[in-house]
Amino acid sequence: GQQLNQSPQSMFIQEGEDVSMNCTSSSIFNTWLWYKQEPGEGPVLLIALYKAGELTSNGRLTAQFGITRKDSFLNISASIPSDVGIYFCAGRAGTYKYIFGTGTRLKVLA
Amino acid sequence: EAQVTQNPRYLITVTGKKLTVTCSQNMNHEYMSWYRQDPGLGLRQIYYSMNVEVTDKGDVPEGYKVSRKEKRNFPLILESPSPNQTSLYFCASSLLAGQSEQFFGPGTRLTVL
Repeated sequence: GQQLNQSPQSMFIQEGEDVSMNCTSSSIFNTWLWYKQEPGEGPVLLIALYKAGELTSNGRLTAQFGITRKDSFLNISASIPSDVGIYFCAGRAGTYKYIFGTGTRLKVLA
Repeated sequence: EAQVTQNPRYLITVTGKKLTVTCSQNMNHEYMSWYRQDPGLGLRQIYYSMNVEVTDKGDVPEGYKVSRKEKRNFPLILESPSPNQTSLYFCASSLLAGQSEQFFGPGTRLTVL
């Protein structure tokens, strides 16, 4: 099945550092989504992007919908320990199908 | 409390023994979906439903069945489970098909021996 290429796979960072992760696809998407998953729970939506070039923020998180509609990135500024988790990008193909990235596991060192 | 519930949360079974994982939402959502999560592969969509009696295949439907007889319930059926279906399964729902805010259930960890 189709998958998104998400990088990095994992990262250790110091508290207070900025974090950047991205997703690329060979297909065009009409929506890009970013989710966070904490241990033992389902993913929770962080940011949704609907138009090419769109830049959207949610607190310390900023995400952009790539101009080509084949990529997106997520930035986290001034990371804190509770940012730990797995971050997934997802693209919506058409109206009903979602394709998820393989995830970026973030670990924050206090 | 608005939520998506799944049962069971954990299940160990043997090859070939039919099982059903239930999913229920209390938000009157039209769209529901099943995903499996495997290490290194992220979440992959198995089946989705746009409304009652309307379902369609996702990316990895082989070996699974679903039904949507009522709006709130969307069970996932494994008629003859095999070890390669050992995975973490998530049900999700959203108000309308194509609306981005999918609410995920807590997950069901299935082991097929």
